[in-house]
Amino acid sequence: GQSLEQPSEVTAVEGAIVQINCTYQTSGFYGLSWYQQHDGGAPTFLSYNALDGLEETGRFSSFLSRSDSYGYLLLQELQMKDSASYFCAVHSGGYQKVTFGTGTKLQVIP
Amino acid sequence: GAVVSQHPSWVICKSGTSVKIECRSLDFQATTMFWYRQFPKQSLMLMATSNEGSKATYEQGVEKDKFLINHASLTLSTLTVTSAHPEDSSFYICSARPQGAALYNEQFFGPGTRLTVL
Repeated sequence: GQSLEQPSEVTAVEGAIVQINCTYQTSGFYGLSWYQQHDGGAPTFLSYNALDGLEETGRFSSFLSRSDSYGYLLLQELQMKDSASYFCAVHSGGYQKVTFGTGTKLQVIP
Repeated sequence: GAVVSQHPSWVICKSGTSVKIECRSLDFQATTMFWYRQFPKQSLMLMATSNEGSKATYEQGVEKDKFLINHASLTLSTLTVTSAHPEDSSFYICSARPQGAALYNEQFFGPGTRLTVL
């Protein structure tokens, strides 16, 4: 089966940088995604890494190390609206099913 | 962009009744749809993978006779919670993968359906 671990909560100051780590165990690994979910809403896709290295999309960057079964999401220039839950998710198996991590609740404070 | 809708957005039902939730891809065709369940303050748990024209693949621990999935067309998948009980109360979310998409990262989520069983 799959297992993913993330910190449960992170607090950071507006304008700062925060890194959310994710470690995983899975078979048939294809890639690692990151999703944002605000309370009561559906997840929205942020990024995807299939290969080792850093992917940058605006204020958000995501990193993957396949050999270490580890990835992280980096959020820069934090804004209050970034307060949400962030999930890493592994893509695995024949249908490329997506298994979500435990989620990290980010609170951005003034 | 690709849009996925769910209907209803919320539903309250009595214990023992059945509830059907629809998931539609509005502007694309989806050969694969996924159904998730999310309890408060918890992660999304994959329930099943639904492929158009074939039987759904259920995750371990998910009762296929209780959670009936029908993916009858390339734009519609339905989840029926049969004989619902209060412990089935949850947020049900579907996602759809566009036909022809590279099989890695493209899936779009619906807004979710909040089910409350009294």
